[in-house]
Amino acid sequence: QSVLTQPPSASGTPGQRVTISCSGARSNIGSEAVNWYQQLPGTAPKLLIYNNDQRPSGVPDRFSGSKSGTSASLAISGLQSEDEADYYCAAWDDSLKGHVFGIGTKVTVL
Amino acid sequence: QVQLVQSGAEVKKPGASVKVSCKASGYTFTNYGIRWVRQAPGQGLEWMGWINTYNAKSNYARKFQGRVTMTTDTSASTAYMELRSLGSDDTAVYFCARENCSTSTCFSDYWGQGTLVTVSS
Repeated sequence: QSVLTQPPSASGTPGQRVTISCSGARSNIGSEAVNWYQQLPGTAPKLLIYNNDQRPSGVPDRFSGSKSGTSASLAISGLQSEDEADYYCAAWDDSLKGHVFGIGTKVTVL
Repeated sequence: QVQLVQSGAEVKKPGASVKVSCKASGYTFTNYGIRWVRQAPGQGLEWMGWINTYNAKSNYARKFQGRVTMTTDTSASTAYMELRSLGSDDTAVYFCARENCSTSTCFSDYWGQGTLVTVSS
């Protein structure tokens, strides 16, 4: 069971907006920044969002992140077929003294 | 360009050890840490620990303490992860990743291609 809680799946049609939630605790999201990773099938994860809402260069602005209290969200606007992937939230946990991941959310483009 | 290239797939028997390498290029190796993450078949990502490539200090997840050792060879810009006393539940793809830290968080901005370790009798 993961420390960070994500829905196992999410879906949308092309062009729609999809939001993925990530719920944690005071020891992780409540006090630390959240990062998001995208993992396409059969590939290594890719950094999508860091420090709650920052996009690395090359990541489309269709992807956005936010955080409030002990929860964070990743939004994908203008959903595209190539967005079909697993999405993981991650944060440092000060109680566990280690990084923790969510279970991952599989996004399907209908 | 930044690249992390990992060693090839391994098949090990229960109780054995495995050592995975991760060769970095395209940046100054000692300016960034290396993080190790694994992914069991069909499962999510699991943080194993990280190593400071500048001073070789490491921090391991509690689950792996006593069973994992992370090291570096700075002359070869290469990081290593050794896992001992392997069990079938250690079958997974092992990833190395560059650890980049801002003022408020550390994140993995470049990843290796992954190394499949299969533990089977």
